[in-house]
Amino acid sequence: DIQMTQSPSTLSAFVGDRVTITCRASQSIGTWLAWYQQKPGIAPKLLIYKASTLESGVPSRFSGSGSETEFTLTISSLQPDDFATYSCQQYNIYPWMFGQGTKVEIK
Amino acid sequence: QITLKESGPTLVKPTQTLTLTCTFSGFSLNTPEVGVGWIRQPPGKALEWLAVIYWSDEKQYSPSLKSRLTITKDTSKNQVVLKMTNMDPVDTATYYCGHRRPVGGGIDSWGQGILVTVSS
Repeated sequence: DIQMTQSPSTLSAFVGDRVTITCRASQSIGTWLAWYQQKPGIAPKLLIYKASTLESGVPSRFSGSGSETEFTLTISSLQPDDFATYSCQQYNIYPWMFGQGTKVEIK
Repeated sequence: QITLKESGPTLVKPTQTLTLTCTFSGFSLNTPEVGVGWIRQPPGKALEWLAVIYWSDEKQYSPSLKSRLTITKDTSKNQVVLKMTNMDPVDTATYYCGHRRPVGGGIDSWGQGILVTVSS
């Protein structure tokens, strides 16, 4: 199985901050990576697919980059609605695997 | 607009078989490249992919759970069914079904989830 490791596990930030979350794959996955946002009690929401393609309707302050084994999700200016947990997922090889999640908290 | 909704029991006993149904609208499982997957999330823990079924009837399972899982589709009813045998308290989780984006991948639409508790 391909292991997906996110860092940090928790991130405290102010509204307006630039935030970066990293996801590392244990082997190359090309750009077959998605990022999701999840709030408590609600299903995940797709933000980014193919490592850098913004899902329709997602604000442009979200961006994704990377390839092979290292990927980043960046929020250019953190908004109150962005406080949530973010997870990466590889879908290059079965089994699809998720990262353990990064919780973005208010500082 | 794509919608999905999970249904099934919210409480099962250990050793029982769980049967969950995902009823969807806004797409067809007869369309090439379309897939529906199941993902679960234990309380306070990470998402875990379980299985996916495609328009072609190709099925893929999580290796760690493969012996316990069966995924099937009924295109006439717009439903996908997941069965998990020999349920254990560690299987307590919210179970989601989701639509796999045909172009580009990722799960672009999710059901609301159903919390399944395994307890005697």
